[in-house]
Amino acid sequence: GAVVSQHPSRVICKSGTSVKIECRSLDFQATTMFWYRQFPKQSLMLMATSNEGSKATYEQGVEKDKFLINHASLTLSTLTVTSAHPEDSSFYICSAIDGNNQPQHFGDGTRLSIL
Amino acid sequence: GENVEQHPSTLSVQEGDSAVIKCTYSDSASNYFPWYKQELGKGPQLIIDIRSNVGEKKDQRIAVTLNKTAKHFSLHITETQPEDSAVYFCAASTDTGNQFYFGTGTSLTVIP
Repeated sequence: GAVVSQHPSRVICKSGTSVKIECRSLDFQATTMFWYRQFPKQSLMLMATSNEGSKATYEQGVEKDKFLINHASLTLSTLTVTSAHPEDSSFYICSAIDGNNQPQHFGDGTRLSIL
Repeated sequence: GENVEQHPSTLSVQEGDSAVIKCTYSDSASNYFPWYKQELGKGPQLIIDIRSNVGEKKDQRIAVTLNKTAKHFSLHITETQPEDSAVYFCAASTDTGNQFYFGTGTSLTVIP
């Protein structure tokens, strides 16, 4: 149980393109979903927290107009990297939780490469 | 806010030996401590967790200990196998929030 599916697993695109990443909880309803960014050999950096039906809460230094998050249902959250540039290249990972003080269940990440 | 420190950053052990990874936290309100294993190119996977009302939890070759007074918790892997090689992250969270505060990770290599 507690499976989180993230799609796509890898994206390569040109600078200026907008990229959408989907995160789905397959067998549970996710009250909250999280989006992280991970640089090589580093820990997970929380970008934003989203609750179904409400606006995402962004961490300090994360541009909300650059990284658009939508959490339209209890099983789906999307992250759109708008007008992506090479510095946006990274490993993006989502996670979902089904209640307070419960483990986060992670997707397998999306490797984004902007040329 | 919470600050989680993790040591060591890298660890190499011979197959069959034990591995221990330690984390400390700063917020005494933290009461949930999960451990995640991340293999290359994949997302972190929960391997074991512990809540503040217990001092130790074991699941086959993996165990976690918690010392609330000293604010530290540790992951113990016994009889290590090459497939245990990965990056391990500890985390801490509280009842009042869903946010996890992650350690900086430990890259474990098990040498056959």
